[in-house]
Amino acid sequence: GNSVTQMEGPVTLSEEAFLTINCTYTATGYPSLFWYVQYPGEGLQLLLKATKADDKGSNKGFEATYRKETTSFHLEKGSVQVSDSAVYFCALNFNKFYFGSGTKLNVKP
Amino acid sequence: DAGVIQSPRHEVTEMGQEVTLRCKPISGHDSLFWYRQTMMRGLELLIYFNNNVPIDDSGMPEDRFSAKMPNASFSTLKIQPSEPRDSAVYFCASSLESSGGSSYNEQFFGPGTRLTVL
Repeated sequence: GNSVTQMEGPVTLSEEAFLTINCTYTATGYPSLFWYVQYPGEGLQLLLKATKADDKGSNKGFEATYRKETTSFHLEKGSVQVSDSAVYFCALNFNKFYFGSGTKLNVKP
Repeated sequence: DAGVIQSPRHEVTEMGQEVTLRCKPISGHDSLFWYRQTMMRGLELLIYFNNNVPIDDSGMPEDRFSAKMPNASFSTLKIQPSEPRDSAVYFCASSLESSGGSSYNEQFFGPGTRLTVL
């Protein structure tokens, strides 16, 4: 079947630290991959996406590369800010959306 | 574009009462999704519609839950009777599935309805 697994949180970092949130997937075909972000009290917003192998999605300093060989789509940012504190969801779309369980990021000043 | 609109934003009710949540998807989108989010279970897909027709309702927890989409611009999720364990944030999302292949398109989420059943 199709599923997404992402690292457990919470992840706590100091401002300007490097961020990695791991995401791996299982799919019966070739899905599109997404990262969504949820700020407190809000709905999920698309952060970035990649639709085929080796594509790199990027937005607001965040990046993720679609790695078919390792079935991964890890989220990275070189220097996090306090305003990046949120819950991050990895997801795949293969005729249906499958979301990971979410990873909470806390960034301290 | 106003985005996905949900109402009410907050609902507090007593056990046994009927609750109706409302959603207006983005104009032109042909698919609509209802999700429930709790600390314990995370984000769960309850039901989704394509062209106003329910396609997959396997996530609807029990007969107390029902959803309708009478037209392309409106959907409701009803809980009758409500129970304390239904307390959660309920999200509606919409997407355009029919163009370019369904797997490429993102879902757009509303702000959610926070439901508290006492």
